[in-house]
Amino acid sequence: SQTIHQWPATLVQPVGSPLSLECTVEGTSNPNLYWYRQAAGRGLQLLFYSVGIGQISSEVPQNLSASRPQDRQFILSSKKLLLSDSGFYLCAWSADTGTTYEQYFGPGTRLTVT
Amino acid sequence: GNSVTQMEGPVTLSEEAFLTINCTYTATGYPSLFWYVQYPGEGLQLLLKATKADDKGSNKGFEATYRKETTSFHLEKGSVQVSDSAVYFCALRRTGGFKTIFGAGTRLFVKA
Repeated sequence: SQTIHQWPATLVQPVGSPLSLECTVEGTSNPNLYWYRQAAGRGLQLLFYSVGIGQISSEVPQNLSASRPQDRQFILSSKKLLLSDSGFYLCAWSADTGTTYEQYFGPGTRLTVT
Repeated sequence: GNSVTQMEGPVTLSEEAFLTINCTYTATGYPSLFWYVQYPGEGLQLLLKATKADDKGSNKGFEATYRKETTSFHLEKGSVQVSDSAVYFCALRRTGGFKTIFGAGTRLFVKA
């Protein structure tokens, strides 16, 4: 069966510090991968998605970046965090083929920028 | 473009009450439709789905029917429990597309 991991689970970082959040998927190959941010009490904002190694599509211009160094690894980074980067970050994957296209989400990382 | 509109919350119900959360969509073609649920502090989980008109998705007592004529996918449950308290997201994905479009979410509180 497929599983998706995210770490760390929680993170408190000062403004201006760097960020690296990691997501890995097991039990599937060539998944589509996604990073979302959820502000407190709000909906989902799609940040990046990837359909293959090294292929990254950005949805929102901001100080975040994403990379996909391996087929089942997706990394979210920032060189300098802003207060507005605080939120709940969710990684998700979906199958590359098939008709249903549902997404499967990780447990999330709660980031607080102080 | 593609979009999903769902009723604003929060929705507060007593245990064993009937639940309806409205969802309408705008999309070209024939998208797949989904309901996801998010419990406090967790990621989203797929609750149910429907891939074509008149399909009924169902799971854990929840159900929703894909209505193309009204472009709707309303979520219903006959008798809610305290454990159903969560945020519910309606979503669509266009066939062949890479992105899922989510509604804003509806928070449900169920009181004992």
